[in-house]
Amino acid sequence: QVQLQESGPGLVKPSETLYLTCSVSGGSIRTYYWNWIRQPPGKGLEWIGYISFSGTTNYNPSLKSRVNISLDTSKNQFSLKLSSVTAADTAVYYCARGTPGETAMVTGGYFDYWGQGTLVTVSS
Amino acid sequence: SYELTQPASVSVSPGQTASLVCSGDKLGDKYVSWFQQKPGQSPVLVIYQDTKRPSGIPERFSGSNSGNTASLTISGTQAMDEADYYCQAWDSISALFGGGTHLTVL
Repeated sequence: QVQLQESGPGLVKPSETLYLTCSVSGGSIRTYYWNWIRQPPGKGLEWIGYISFSGTTNYNPSLKSRVNISLDTSKNQFSLKLSSVTAADTAVYYCARGTPGETAMVTGGYFDYWGQGTLVTVSS
Repeated sequence: SYELTQPASVSVSPGQTASLVCSGDKLGDKYVSWFQQKPGQSPVLVIYQDTKRPSGIPERFSGSNSGNTASLTISGTQAMDEADYYCQAWDSISALFGGGTHLTVL
C-alpha cells in the first residue's frame, strides 16, 4: 500500500522560504507524478504543482514565480520550496501521487494517494 | 481563467439519492475527478476519469460528465457519506478544483 508522509516546519516567518518534504513508501518514486496541494483553513483545495518521474515540473501559474519542486529518487522523496511567503500561504499542505491519464497527467490524470497533510502557519 | 463551480451545500435524507454537480465551460470535454473530505482528514478519491471508481470505493458512488456539467451521484446515501466533496479537472496544464460542496445527511 502506497503511503505518503509530509514533514517540515510548522511555522515560517513572513518573507522567508517554506520547505516541505514528502516521503513515499510502499512503491517506487521512479514512476507517476508527484504533487503538492494546499488548503487554507476552512477553504478549498489549491494545486501547487508536480514533478514527474523524469524530472519535468509543472506549476500553478499563480504560484510559479515562487515555487520549486524537486525529486530525490535515492531517498524516495520529493520536496517543495515556496519563497517569499505571506500570511496568505498559511494552509495545510498535502503531497499526493498523480497517476497519468491517456498520455500524461494533464490528459485525465488523477490524484490517487494523499499524505495526511501538515499545517504550515506563516507568522512572525 | 477557467473555473469549476459547485453549490456550497446539499442536503439529503438517509437512504435517498444525493446528486452533486460541478459546472464549467465545456466541462464534458475534460476528465473530472471527485474527492470526499471529512473533517480533519485528507481528501479521498471517489471517482476519476468521469465514471471510474477506485478500488475500495462503494458502488453507491457513481459519476457522469456531459456538456457543461459533471455529476457525482450517491445512491442510498448513508450517514457516513456526510462530508465535503470537491470536483477537479485539468485546464490546459493546470489542475483546478471546484470550491466544494458540503453534503449533509439528515
